[in-house]
Amino acid sequence: SQQGEEDPQALSIQEGENATMNCSYKTSINNLQWYRQNSGRGLVHLILIRSNEREKHSGRLRVTLDTSKKSSSLLITASRAADTASYFCATDTSGTYKYIFGTGTRLKVLA
Amino acid sequence: EAQVTQNPRYLITVTGKKLTVTCSQNMNHEYMSWYRQDPGLGLRQIYYSMNVEVTDKGDVPEGYKVSRKEKRNFPLILESPSPNQTSLYFCASSLFSKAATDDGYTFGSGTRLTVV
Repeated sequence: SQQGEEDPQALSIQEGENATMNCSYKTSINNLQWYRQNSGRGLVHLILIRSNEREKHSGRLRVTLDTSKKSSSLLITASRAADTASYFCATDTSGTYKYIFGTGTRLKVLA
Repeated sequence: EAQVTQNPRYLITVTGKKLTVTCSQNMNHEYMSWYRQDPGLGLRQIYYSMNVEVTDKGDVPEGYKVSRKEKRNFPLILESPSPNQTSLYFCASSLFSKAATDDGYTFGSGTRLTVV
């Protein structure tokens, strides 16, 4: 079963704009992670936010977590063409040792 | 260089012919996992291992086997592959199963398997 669901499924923006994608999940979590995947290649870890954290920054990335709504958002500021990729959230569900990934958001940044 | 190495990158095989996809990591990670990625379904966990000789089923374990005899290796075995196992497979590892660090998973480059 899918724990995380990203929204939107696809997003197309101009270079320099901000990109926001959202992730909703169903059960309690220990942490939530965001990954990037370039066309059929391995996923690259971007950022991890723990269940007791509300916001985290890493370079041009800003992640928020709302455990009451079971949702997270990833904001990429000042996007670049190189940010074109699919973005996935992954949750480490409390009480299990499974990491579950969502279906991803395909981001296209137009130069 | 810290990495997860999967082999082969591409594989075409016939139904019923046993195959093994190898996965090796050089980071001394305890936790390793296999995922398959299919269009519209995202990544689904097949099996995971928390340490040597400790493995457990993920969400889609049917038709697959794994073993963890050494910390660095976590092979995926398809005893009798079928066409519905055609997919893109990823191996991943991390230091702790519950990510006590901020590092998350390190993924391999993937194995594209076609079963005809």
